[in-house]
Amino acid sequence: QVQMQESGPGVVKPSETLSLTCTVSGYAISSGYYWGWIRQPPGKGLEWIGSVLHGGSSNYNPSLKSRVTISLDTSKNQVSLKLSSVTAADTALYYCAAKDDIFGIYWGQGTLVTVSS
Amino acid sequence: DIQMTQSPSSLSASVGDRVTITCRASQGIRNDLGWYQQKPGKAPKRLIYAASSLQSGVPSRFSGSGSGTEFTLTISSLQPEDSATYYCLQHSTNPITFGQGTRLEIK
Repeated sequence: QVQMQESGPGVVKPSETLSLTCTVSGYAISSGYYWGWIRQPPGKGLEWIGSVLHGGSSNYNPSLKSRVTISLDTSKNQVSLKLSSVTAADTALYYCAAKDDIFGIYWGQGTLVTVSS
Repeated sequence: DIQMTQSPSSLSASVGDRVTITCRASQGIRNDLGWYQQKPGKAPKRLIYAASSLQSGVPSRFSGSGSGTEFTLTISSLQPEDSATYYCLQHSTNPITFGQGTRLEIK
């Protein structure tokens, strides 16, 4: 069973770049699935950020596309997220996610990122 | 983008009640829909996949139905531990989109 663990700074300053890493175990990210990120502002609903397929296409939420980069490191079996020019509106719980065509989404445990000076 | 309209946004029911939550997709998504339960401070947990298949380990009081644009999640006999927020999610077409959530309170 695929398992994912997010890591990264819990606080990021406004206008800076948010960087998170997701370490995947139990499944090689080069074997399949779309790998990506979902976020949830405190007390609010879920928002898909984007996903990439190893050796294939990437898809980003149009509302975030200009600021987001998701990449894969197959040597470390990791998925990374970079979100530039952050504001307080980017404060959220960030989940690493794997998308399967049948089962839908596998979730990491999530990591809270607060944008604050 | 495919819009997922989930209703109701909240509901309150008693132990033993039958509860139904609905999601409507703005266009057909075949059966590429899942239902997820989220408790405070926790990641969403998959209950149903492919619209009507019960995730392993999930109690049989949970069931899903529908295809195309209309989907339902039913809890046949509500239990205290079912207090949570429930989300539908479509993964037929990028971007993946979610329903707004249904907050379920046990009376």
